[in-house]
Amino acid sequence: DQQVKQNSPSLSVQEGRISILNCDYTNSMFDYFLWYKKYPAEGPTFLISISSIKDKNEDGRFTVFLNKSAKHLSLHIVPSQPGDSAVYFCAASGRTGANNLFFGTGTRLTVIP
Amino acid sequence: ETGVTQTPRHLVMGMTNKKSLKCEQHLGHNAMYWYKQSAKKPLELMFVYNFKEQTENNSVPSRFSPECPNSSHLFLHLHTLQPEDSALYLCASSQDSASGGAAQYFGPGTRLTVL
Repeated sequence: DQQVKQNSPSLSVQEGRISILNCDYTNSMFDYFLWYKKYPAEGPTFLISISSIKDKNEDGRFTVFLNKSAKHLSLHIVPSQPGDSAVYFCAASGRTGANNLFFGTGTRLTVIP
Repeated sequence: ETGVTQTPRHLVMGMTNKKSLKCEQHLGHNAMYWYKQSAKKPLELMFVYNFKEQTENNSVPSRFSPECPNSSHLFLHLHTLQPEDSALYLCASSQDSASGGAAQYFGPGTRLTVL
């Protein structure tokens, strides 16, 4: 059973507007959440992360929000740029033990110029 | 070379062939990982090595055999694969595998097709 879910396979946004990518998880033992971006023919690139002791982490145009009670996190990109067009993966891992990442299936973001 | 490199980038093999995938990381990390990405499925962790020792085998069939001669190199030896093993195989590395949440850095992947 999939423990990390990205229910929207694709999202289109106008350049300059906000992109909101969503992710849900089922395992309450997850302690760290990460977002990766993937361009075609490249491996996933680490973007931003958040630990469960926080509810928000910001890095430039990228902000991740965590709602532990809802087991939901989201990635906000403001303002969106055409170069942000890629597949975005949400991932989660536990606190201790092996750093095993559980990935969602990804959301393809298209930013329209 | 910087980051994580993988060779070959593309591989086509028959079910009776033996081939190997290679991964090298230039980040000074101590943990390395193999992932499989099949169409429409999330990345699946296959193996984890921490300081050259295998710490995780995620119920992977024995036709996939990993090897980690040192912290910078990781191999995946392939033998008598099935067509359903066709996928993108990704290598990753991180500082170590014992701390939850450590960012993993990925290579570009090897696109494997089994005929």
